[in-house]
Amino acid sequence: RKEVEQDPGPFNVPEGATVAFNCTYSNSASQSFFWYRQDCRKEPKLLMSVYSSGNEDGRFTAQLNRASQYISLLIRDSKLSDSATYLCVVPMYSGGGADGLTFGKGTHLIIQP
Amino acid sequence: SQTIHQWPATLVQPVGSPLSLECTVEGTSNPNLYWYRQAAGRGLQLLFYSVGIGQISSEVPQNLSASRPQDRQFILSSKKLLLSDSGFYLCAWISSSGRNEQFFGPGTRLTVL
Repeated sequence: RKEVEQDPGPFNVPEGATVAFNCTYSNSASQSFFWYRQDCRKEPKLLMSVYSSGNEDGRFTAQLNRASQYISLLIRDSKLSDSATYLCVVPMYSGGGADGLTFGKGTHLIIQP
Repeated sequence: SQTIHQWPATLVQPVGSPLSLECTVEGTSNPNLYWYRQAAGRGLQLLFYSVGIGQISSEVPQNLSASRPQDRQFILSSKKLLLSDSGFYLCAWISSSGRNEQFFGPGTRLTVL
């Protein structure tokens, strides 16, 4: 079983600030990486997929460092609605993840007004 | 569009009772399907996955079992529940885009008393 490590937080951040999370993984064969968002008592929802060095979608930027085996998620101009737990996810065995994904325990983010 | 359903949404069961959780997918054919469990304070743990009818791979030895009687139906069962089976059970399918993105159903919250 390959592992994923995240800082559990909580990160308390004022609205409008920029916040970044890091995640380290041990499966060097991983080719796909994902960030999921999970609201309290809800299912995880895919936020971003990362296949090369990084990906950007609006206020969210994910960066991948294969040499150091870590992934980061940057949230700019944070909104109250960004408050959630952010899960770092990598393939369990194969590079793609079709045989299962390994989830980090999540980083809890609280955006304060 | 693809949708995934889980039934029931919540369940309270006594120790030693049987369990049957159902997951159905619409809008896709021959999907890879997954059962995960999220226990309190822990990350998502892959329990089973299936690449087709009658094909089940087990990730964690325990008193749970899974079956896939139809292409779009995935069932999680137990003959006798334990207290440690309490948790949030999530069914997921993988997109056919080749990007291996997994999408989750709304989950079943199980409490074993």
